Amino acid sequence: DQQVKQNSPSLSVQEGRISILNCDYTNSMFDYFLWYKKYPAEGPTFLISISSIKDKNEDGRFTVFLNKSAKHLSLHIVPSQPGDSAVYFCAASVYNQGGKLIFGQGTELSVKP
Amino acid sequence: DAGVTQSPTHLIKTRGQQVTLRCSPKSGHDTVSWYQQALGQGPQFIFQYYEEEERQRGNFPDRFSGHQFPNYSSELNVNALLLGDSALYLCASSFKDPNSYEQYFGPGTRLTVT
Repeated sequence: DQQVKQNSPSLSVQEGRISILNCDYTNSMFDYFLWYKKYPAEGPTFLISISSIKDKNEDGRFTVFLNKSAKHLSLHIVPSQPGDSAVYFCAASVYNQGGKLIFGQGTELSVKP
Repeated sequence: DAGVTQSPTHLIKTRGQQVTLRCSPKSGHDTVSWYQQALGQGPQFIFQYYEEEERQRGNFPDRFSGHQFPNYSSELNVNALLLGDSALYLCASSFKDPNSYEQYFGPGTRLTVT
């Protein structure tokens, strides 16, 4: 049972344009969502998060949007840079299970110069 | 400030053998979680250790066991290895705070079972 899904295995974007990565979830108990970025031969690195009491969180070029009614979140990167090329994972958690992150399958972003 | 470290980097084992993987958490962190990442998949939660006890466990068989030491470092043990155990094993550390969902990951140990 895949509770967190990233349906796009890959995404290619031109440098300077917007990258939009999508994530869907099925468990309505999830109350905290995170995005991680992973380069080859490195562990995932925390990027940005959002609590279920919000619908938007921004950090520089990165913005995460949460639509609870649709059980959908998205990560926007504006403007995209070649250094953003990596695999992006969406993850979700329940408050009293703070240590247990449920990850999606990942989306490989390629930003072309 | 040392981040999360894991050893070894790579490991090759034969079916039926046992393996131990090691993790040192980020300085100041007292909670360690282990994840298994199969090729092309996202990390899957194995278990979490805090105060030297297993606090949460994912959907993994008893062949997967762990330990946390007083200095907060941790080991993951897998017995009776199967070909399907081949994966990247990630260790993540955090501070035991209900608001601390943000986990810091190590580079992982690549286990190959032949």
